[in-house]
Amino acid sequence: AQSVTQLGSHVSVSEGALVLLRCNYSSSVPPYLFWYVQYPNQGLQLLLKYTSAATLVKGINGFEAEFKKSETSFHLTKPSAHMSDAAEYFCAVSPSGGYQKVTFGTGTKLQVIP
Amino acid sequence: EPEVTQTPSHQVTQMGQEVILRCVPISNHLYFYWYRQILGQKVEFLVSFYNNEISEKSEIFDDQFSVERPDGSNFTLKIRSTKLEDSAMYFCASTKLGDGNTGELFFGEGSRLTVL
Repeated sequence: AQSVTQLGSHVSVSEGALVLLRCNYSSSVPPYLFWYVQYPNQGLQLLLKYTSAATLVKGINGFEAEFKKSETSFHLTKPSAHMSDAAEYFCAVSPSGGYQKVTFGTGTKLQVIP
Repeated sequence: EPEVTQTPSHQVTQMGQEVILRCVPISNHLYFYWYRQILGQKVEFLVSFYNNEISEKSEIFDDQFSVERPDGSNFTLKIRSTKLEDSAMYFCASTKLGDGNTGELFFGEGSRLTVL
């Protein structure tokens, strides 16, 4: 079984400030980990994924995440927030090997203050 | 770029009515999924489908729900007798078969179902 926990349902940052969205996972087998973004009234778009290669993963729009097995974490960061980053972010996990269901966290709404 | 398409984008129905949500997955994908998201809540897995049969389903996916791939392109979710609590955004997703598959799902834009 696998699950993810996202700390903080709402996060506010100032434009230009560091973005840090937290995610901890639980998995009985080596996991694949994902961050998806959802803009208002839109579907889910993949930001980045970890699939057991490099532990620091770079994604689209300047986001990156680091897989830390010892901490069972996969936090999402961006050095400088932009107004267009305002959206809901979902951490997700699936068992390695593919084709199996992806389990999502509860989401974190990011607000960017001008 | 290939994408998953869903229709309708929004459907309003009366409680007890049947609803069919349609999805056209990416053409070379062979694994298909339905997820739902009740307003303000997490994205929940409903069902996965491969080789014309259900691979896995959640406890949400009860006898009221069914999935079908009626032809080579469409993948449908049917709700036989809708309930108020079925109101949600329903997302279709697909993933491709092959070496190195990483479980990445490609999602459609969603179909919003409102049950009155």
